[in-house]
Amino acid sequence: DVKVTQSSRYLVKRTGEKVFLECVQDMDHENMFWYRQDPGLGLRLIYFSYDVKMKEKGDIPEGYSVSREKKERFSLILESASTNQTSMYLCASTRPGVEAFFGQGTRLTVV
Amino acid sequence: QKEVEQNSGPLSVPEGAIASLNCTYSDRGSQSFFWYRQYSGKSPELIMSIYSNGDKEDGRFTAQLNKASQYVSLLIRDSQPSDSATYLCAVRTGGFKTIFGAGTRLFVKA
Repeated sequence: DVKVTQSSRYLVKRTGEKVFLECVQDMDHENMFWYRQDPGLGLRLIYFSYDVKMKEKGDIPEGYSVSREKKERFSLILESASTNQTSMYLCASTRPGVEAFFGQGTRLTVV
Repeated sequence: QKEVEQNSGPLSVPEGAIASLNCTYSDRGSQSFFWYRQYSGKSPELIMSIYSNGDKEDGRFTAQLNKASQYVSLLIRDSQPSDSATYLCAVRTGGFKTIFGAGTRLFVKA
């Protein structure tokens, strides 16, 4: 059974904090993605990675960075959390020819 | 123009009816197309993928793709209340990016 695991289901952080969201997959997939999902806006791509230490900006990378030191782990970093980053964050992994598998999501609230 | 467009709904159909969900996309080079179902508070789960023009059937679900019109649809036959969810259309563009539409909310009335 394929598995994408996000480190937290719910998080509450203060404005200005540095926030780390972790994602681990056990399918040996090359490609990993971070999306955020907001009502009426669907899933918007923040960053993706197609290999270890490789990263590409998605559509809304401002205020975020990522790290991929190992193939199975892709981290999303909010350098200085702001209230407009309150959202549901979804990690996904895939490989060519295969659909994306999603983690359970992290609902982040920045207060 | 958004890269992947869907009618946000809500789409309401009676139990047993056919639900028809539509999606258009802007990148003519797109090769892979997916339909995901997302229940409230849950992450998306894949229900159909389609890669070539025409219809693809899987149980009560049929995906239809028309690359010339840049259009992909999902038909759900014999709709059940358990089908009530948000349906996300996703398009994989050249390379690795998968772009999602905003989703269509479907309600199936018992």
